[in-house]
Amino acid sequence: DVKVTQSSRYLVKRTGEKVFLECVQDMDHENMFWYRQDPGLGLRLIYFSYDVKMKEKGDIPEGYSVSREKKERFSLILESASTNQTSMYLCASSQLDSFSNEQYFGPGTRLTVT
Amino acid sequence: AQSVTQLGSHVSVSEGALVLLRCNYSSSVPPYLFWYVQYPNQGLQLLLKYTSAATLVKGINGFEAEFKKSETSFHLTKPSAHMSDAAEYFCAVSGPDYKLSFGAGTTVTVRA
Repeated sequence: DVKVTQSSRYLVKRTGEKVFLECVQDMDHENMFWYRQDPGLGLRLIYFSYDVKMKEKGDIPEGYSVSREKKERFSLILESASTNQTSMYLCASSQLDSFSNEQYFGPGTRLTVT
Repeated sequence: AQSVTQLGSHVSVSEGALVLLRCNYSSSVPPYLFWYVQYPNQGLQLLLKYTSAATLVKGINGFEAEFKKSETSFHLTKPSAHMSDAAEYFCAVSGPDYKLSFGAGTTVTVRA
């Protein structure tokens, strides 16, 4: 069974803290993605990666960075958390060989910044 | 650029009634289209996808969707709603860069 796991289901951090969200996939997928999900806005792409050490900005990269040192792991970093980054964060992965490939999602991390 | 619009943020249906969720897309290239479902406190799960092989696509849990190029639509239907169908549903379109553009989502509630 394919699997995308995220390090935490719920996380509470204080304003200004550095926050790491970890994502691991066991499907040997090349592509990995980070989204944030907010009510009424659907999913918005923060960053994605086609390969190890590669990263591309999505639609809302401001305030975030990413790291991909190994193929199976993609980390999202909030350098200095702010209250407007309170959200649900979803990680996904997909194969590189076709644009029709579906993305597989992790269970999400609900982050609250106080 | 690709985008989707989901008509209706909330849909309420009676158990056993038809479920119809509307999605219209915009794409500069032949689109790949997806419907995902999200149950409470879970990630997204693929219901079905359109990849140009057939215009009527059958998915899991009795859902199906029809691709209509002339109407730029990809509406999702299920003939008979079940209580377990209560969830949020997302339509998405894939571009020539592996990225998905998602609609705002439609929350389905099922009345007993």
